[in-house]
Amino acid sequence: DGGITQSPKYLFRKEGQNVTLSCEQNLNHDAMYWYRQDPGQGLRLIYYSQIVNDFQKGDIAEGYSVSREKKESFPLTVTSAQKNPTAFYLCASSAGLLYNEQFFGPGTRLTVL
Amino acid sequence: GQQLNQSPQSMFIQEGEDVSMNCTSSSIFNTWLWYKQDPGEGPVLLIALYKAGELTSNGRLTAQFGITRKDSFLNISASIPSDVGIYFCAGQIDYKLSFGAGTTVTVRA
Repeated sequence: DGGITQSPKYLFRKEGQNVTLSCEQNLNHDAMYWYRQDPGQGLRLIYYSQIVNDFQKGDIAEGYSVSREKKESFPLTVTSAQKNPTAFYLCASSAGLLYNEQFFGPGTRLTVL
Repeated sequence: GQQLNQSPQSMFIQEGEDVSMNCTSSSIFNTWLWYKQDPGEGPVLLIALYKAGELTSNGRLTAQFGITRKDSFLNISASIPSDVGIYFCAGQIDYKLSFGAGTTVTVRA
């Protein structure tokens, strides 16, 4: 089955620690995205990548970092510089930036204690 | 991202009812997408619209891309219990999607 997997589903971390969220897709999509979702709000774009070894900041990139070493993987690191990291994080992919239909993974809920 | 105003914020449905929700923006978009999200899960794409004026159906769902390119609506006909969830609109321009805050659909007791 083709799809997007995110792990772990739930993640707890102490304040001040960096944490990395995993995102893998086997859809052979070129473009991948990371969004943050807070209660009662729409999704906000953190970073996106249209090709391996290239990525761009989205609307709320401060305190986050990404890498794109493989086409199928786009991990997100939430650093200690992110002031309010507790949120639901969603990874998505599309065939390319010109292809508007983005498909989402199941999400990771990060709670910083 | 661009500002999208989605309404209503929440609604109650009774099985068999038709329901409607819409999204408006002060900006124009090239594409409108509608997603449904169940609690604790990722959004699932329901319908994609690519041309102003386009009307597209997916089963009991119908969505339209507004003529001005600044709005879209989604209709659900003959609602069933599994229609509960959060529905999001998204508008695309410059390779980015901007999302509305969502319409929460729950079943009327």
